[in-house]
Amino acid sequence: QVQLVQSGAEVKRSGASVKVSCKAYGYTFTDFYIHWVRQAPGQGLEWMGFINTDRGGTNYAQKFQGRVTLTRDTSTTTAYMEVRGLRSDDMAVYYCARVFGPVGELDYWGQGTLVTVAS
Amino acid sequence: QSVLTQPPSTSGTPGQRVTISCSGATSNIGSNFVYWYQQVSGRAPKLVIYRGNQRPSGVPDRFSASKSGTSASLAISGLRSEDEADYYCASWDNSLSGLLFGGGTKVTVL
Repeated sequence: QVQLVQSGAEVKRSGASVKVSCKAYGYTFTDFYIHWVRQAPGQGLEWMGFINTDRGGTNYAQKFQGRVTLTRDTSTTTAYMEVRGLRSDDMAVYYCARVFGPVGELDYWGQGTLVTVAS
Repeated sequence: QSVLTQPPSTSGTPGQRVTISCSGATSNIGSNFVYWYQQVSGRAPKLVIYRGNQRPSGVPDRFSASKSGTSASLAISGLRSEDEADYYCASWDNSLSGLLFGGGTKVTVL
């Protein structure tokens, strides 16, 4: 069945980088875009951007331009999200989710990855 | 501050009907589909409504949605204890070229 399995929780120092993985199972990886959404503690959902898993093209929310990089490896059906220059307000649960096309419903979500930023 | 505006909370007793509003703009709700997600505490969000008023397999028909102009709403009829969760609306925004989420509405079953 369709599953998105994310890497485990991370603890990073302020200023460091973190890279979260999202491995896809149960469908043709390159048929769906992967979007990334984060949720700070006690807060709502915030869209970060997406990657076209077939061609590799990306689109980022303006807030994350230049500090976040989305990549993918089609040979391992895995998408990656890297955040550089971590700050305390980057502490959040990061989710990947798939969409059929760049715009549409996020129909399957990963379990989430907690990133803790220690000062 | 979310561009899509939702009430922070609502509540109802079992069996009641509750509605959640989501207010946006021409560039988002007014031009694109609205999606609704349910998030039970500590879990990943789950899609409950897509492309206006479609329900994924497994989502009961107690969930329905509508849209008028730049506003949308989600209705839950026959409220059950398992419906207690946070609900988020979402819509693509043409001006921002990005996906917007509402701030979320906490539904409490009394």
